[in-house]
Amino acid sequence: AQTVTQSQPEMSVQEAETVTLSCTYDTSESNYYLFWYKQPPSRQMILVIRQEAYKQQNATENRFSVNFQKAAKSFSLKISDSQLGDTAMYFCAFMKFRTGTASKLTFGTGTRLQVTL
Amino acid sequence: DAGITQSPRHKVTETGTPVTLRCHQTENHRYMYWYRQDPGHGLRLIHYSYGVKDTDKGEVSDGYSVSRSKTEDFLLTLESATSSQTSVYFCAIIRDSLFYEQYFGPGTRLTVT
Repeated sequence: AQTVTQSQPEMSVQEAETVTLSCTYDTSESNYYLFWYKQPPSRQMILVIRQEAYKQQNATENRFSVNFQKAAKSFSLKISDSQLGDTAMYFCAFMKFRTGTASKLTFGTGTRLQVTL
Repeated sequence: DAGITQSPRHKVTETGTPVTLRCHQTENHRYMYWYRQDPGHGLRLIHYSYGVKDTDKGEVSDGYSVSRSKTEDFLLTLESATSSQTSVYFCAIIRDSLFYEQYFGPGTRLTVT
């Protein structure tokens, strides 16, 4: 079974600064995906970024980027130029992939990020 | 917008009563999922479906059943609700063209008193 660990229950960052959220995972799978989801106060789960395990290059989506260290099983999220709208709960998630089977997500417990003025 | 709706959005019910939550999608995707979200646990998979009448259990399936008689609807039933089932319930789909990305509905907050 896979496990996903987010060791930072809460974090705070000032507007325009950079913050990094940590995530580690444990798996024996070789073919998998990693995700960061954002959950603002509206409760909607929003996909922020995706990383394929077979890709060495770190994924980037605008102000969001990841540091994927496969050997260390680490998958951190960096938010640059933080904005008030980034205030949310952030979840790291793991998905093993096998062709023809349902892809199920395993989530970490989340990190609550507060962006302040 | 992944075209996913959940109903009801909020519900308060009493212990021992049956409850059914509905997930509806408009895009005819094959895979659908039910998760529950609780403080300190993140989201955990309850049941999932890989087609009409094809369902399977997730990691926290005890006390829940599901049905999928049409592609667009995935129902989650609590046969006899308990206080431990007070939670926020999310439905999710995988778009057939992006098989590795799950998209979530708006959630249903269920309170069992």
